[in-house]
Amino acid sequence: DAMVIQNPRYQVTQFGKPVTLSCSQTLNHNVMYWYQQKSSQAPKLLFHYYDKDFNNEADTPDNFQSRRPNTSFCFLDIRSPGLGDAAMYLCATSSDSSGGQDDIYEQYFGPGTRLTVT
Amino acid sequence: AQKITQTQPGMFVQEKEAVTLDCTYDTSDPSYGLFWYKQPSSGEMIFLIYQGSYDQQNATEGRYSLNFQKARKSANLVISASQLGDSAMYFCAMGTDKLIFGTGTRLQVFP
Repeated sequence: DAMVIQNPRYQVTQFGKPVTLSCSQTLNHNVMYWYQQKSSQAPKLLFHYYDKDFNNEADTPDNFQSRRPNTSFCFLDIRSPGLGDAAMYLCATSSDSSGGQDDIYEQYFGPGTRLTVT
Repeated sequence: AQKITQTQPGMFVQEKEAVTLDCTYDTSDPSYGLFWYKQPSSGEMIFLIYQGSYDQQNATEGRYSLNFQKARKSANLVISASQLGDSAMYFCAMGTDKLIFGTGTRLQVFP
């Protein structure tokens, strides 16, 4: 009964070789997020989709792209990974109809993909 | 600008004892949520508890309770009856549709 699934759990890629991380969800949530978490640091939001609307954080490098072909799936593409992109990548989902206080979206996280760049 | 601060890089607690993890925040938004997540060494972020800024009562979820003091802008997590499996990183987060996270507190529970 997994709710937010990330594949693969561990990914090794070479410096400069494009890599794609995937996320899927069974919650039918309309909002999906990608976070980057480097070792011993807090997760940092890269971008999020509100339905099909893409929202990029101002300081997210152009090297990072995302696609959301449908409600259930979201992909993170790293066009030319550098050594500094080695991190845990966390996908999360939320719904704007979760009830409770307006505008508060409870986020559900997947298990993460740990990316190593060699 | 929004800011979340966790001043305790690490905490130790003995099994079965209670522990408080500190979190302070700053925001000018009138409506916001405060969240606590647990991150074991496996990396998954596990949702623990949520408090809305308009909630009058402190949130509780089993052994977890959130000590929300709005005037002081603090949202401390209290874990009662600590268990060895509670050893993990704990992150405080704040936001509405987007979250910002504190730097985390590593909790270690010893027998």
